[in-house]
Order: sequence, then structure tokens, then C-alpha cells
Amino acid sequence: AQSVTQLDSHVSVSEGTPVLLRCNYSSSYSPSLFWYVQHPNKGLQLLLKYTSAATLVKGINGFEAEFKKSETSFHLTKPSAHMSDAAEYFCVVSFSGGYQKVTFGTGTKLQVIP
Amino acid sequence: DAGVIQSPRHEVTEMGQEVTLRCKPISGHNSLFWYRQTMMRGLELLIYFNNNVPIDDSGMPEDRFSAKMPNASFSTLKIQPSEPRDSAVYFCASIQQGSNQPQHFGDGTRLSIL
Repeated sequence: AQSVTQLDSHVSVSEGTPVLLRCNYSSSYSPSLFWYVQHPNKGLQLLLKYTSAATLVKGINGFEAEFKKSETSFHLTKPSAHMSDAAEYFCVVSFSGGYQKVTFGTGTKLQVIP
Repeated sequence: DAGVIQSPRHEVTEMGQEVTLRCKPISGHNSLFWYRQTMMRGLELLIYFNNNVPIDDSGMPEDRFSAKMPNASFSTLKIQPSEPRDSAVYFCASIQQGSNQPQHFGDGTRLSIL
């Protein structure tokens, strides 16, 4: 069985300060991990992905995430928040054994304060 | 790459009416997923297909919901009869099974049942 936990439902940061969105997972197999972003009234857009290559993954818009197997974590970070980063972020885990079924986290809403 | 195409983008209808949502996956992708997103429940997987065959429909809420995939380039999600509690955003996503790549999402259909 696989699961993913996003520890914070809401995160609020000031513009220009670092962003940290936390994600922990469990998976019986070697997982693939993804972060998606959803802006209001929009679909889900892929930010970045980890698929067993480099553990530090760089994505779009200056975001990056580090896969830490010992901590079963895949936290999303950005050095400096921009107003346009305000959105909801989803951490997703999947494994490629058999049929690929993904599990979504419950989402973290990021608020950026001017 | 045209991406996953969903139609209609918005639908408003009265309860009791039949609603049909449509999805065209990315060409070459052989797995297709239907999701529902609401404020209360977040993102829920309703059903997914692999090679046009329904693999897991355990997320389909009740018999009023049905989904078909008559060919590799088209899927429908039907609600009959519709109820106000079905109001949500419905997303379709597709992937090439076993590729370790992320799911690609459509822009969703915003459904309002009056």
C-alpha cells in the first residue's frame, strides 16, 4: 500500500521569503514522486518529478524538492516566494509495479503576503 | 502536443438531468483517469482505464455514475440522474503506463447541478 501525507493544509509566507511545503510518503516499492501546482480555477500542472535519478530535483518557477529515503520525505522548497506562487500544491506518489496507480496528498494552500 | 482535452469546460444543469463529460487523452497514452475535486473531499480518483479496460472503479460514488472508453482516444463520464451534490470539478488525466512519467491533466469540467 502507498500513502502520502502533506503535513500542512495551509502555509503563509511573506513575499521574498523561503517556501517549505512538507510531504511524507510510504510505499512498498521504489516510488516515483511528483509535485503538482493548481492555481485557482485551473487544472493541475506538474512542477517537478523524482523517478530514481538525482535525489535533488529542480522544477519550474524556481522550485526544487529533495528525495530523502531515510526520512521518507519529499519536501518542496523555493528560496524566495513570489506573489504568483500563491496556489494549492499537491504531493503525489506512485510506483510502476503493475498498473500505475497514483495517490494524491490532500494539498497545501500557499498564501503569499505582500 | 495538444495535451489532455476535456469538454465542456463548464456545465450548469438542473438536477435529474443526464450529464456527459468527455475526455480525449494524449495520443499514445494508454491509461486514463477520471478524478473529482471538491472543497470538502479534495481530489478523488473515480476510475481508471488501461488499454481501454476499466481497472479500478472503486472510487465511483454510486450507480448513477458510469464511465466508458470505447477507444484509445476518447472517454466519457456520465451521471444519470444528476444531483446537486455532484457539483464539482471533474478532471481527466492520461499517462503512458509503465513510463514512470507523471500524469498529464486536462483543464477540468466545472459542473454545477442546480
